[in-house]
Amino acid sequence: AQSVTQLDSHVSVSEGTPVLLRCNYSSSYSPSLFWYVQHPNKGLQLLLKYTSAATLVKGINGFEAEFKKSETSFHLTKPSAHMSDAAEYFCVVSDMDTGRRALTFGSGTRLQVQP
Amino acid sequence: DVKVTQSSRYLVKRTGEKVFLECVQDMDHENMFWYRQDPGLGLRLIYFSYDVKMKEKGDIPEGYSVSREKKERFSLILESASTNQTSMYLCASSFFSLNLAKNIQYFGAGTRLSVL
Repeated sequence: AQSVTQLDSHVSVSEGTPVLLRCNYSSSYSPSLFWYVQHPNKGLQLLLKYTSAATLVKGINGFEAEFKKSETSFHLTKPSAHMSDAAEYFCVVSDMDTGRRALTFGSGTRLQVQP
Repeated sequence: DVKVTQSSRYLVKRTGEKVFLECVQDMDHENMFWYRQDPGLGLRLIYFSYDVKMKEKGDIPEGYSVSREKKERFSLILESASTNQTSMYLCASSFFSLNLAKNIQYFGAGTRLSVL
């Protein structure tokens, strides 16, 4: 069975400082991993995905994530936070164990950006 | 652009009422999903469908049913609404692919349901 743990429920940073949102996963097979973002009163939007082609994945709006198999981690980073980054972020895992169901969501990390 | 449309953004119902949440997608996706989102719990899968008239239970199907009569439309039904079903409901759709990297789900904006 697969699972995802987002290590922080809330993260607060100052505008212009780096962002780190932590995610650990458990999977029986070689997974695909995703980060989704949800802005207030909006649906979820795909930020980036890991597909085994490269361990460092670049997404939209300057976000990156690095897949580390030895640590079973897929942390999301951004060098410099912007006010518009304030949102909730979900780490998501997908593997063959769940077949068509495909996705298991973490509990989410709410990112707050202070001016 | 993929569009997943949920018929209502906000809904207020009374305990015991039958509630219908509608979702329509315009990308000819095979898969459609219903999740509920609660603070601190992330998204939990209620039901999904991989074809017309086909459905499978997710993690929390109790108290819910679904209907998929047409490929583009997936309805979530609360047979007798209860206060513990007050939540944000999100619909999603995706193509079916054995390539996991292509299992990208596209989400609607959500329906915030309050059961009084």
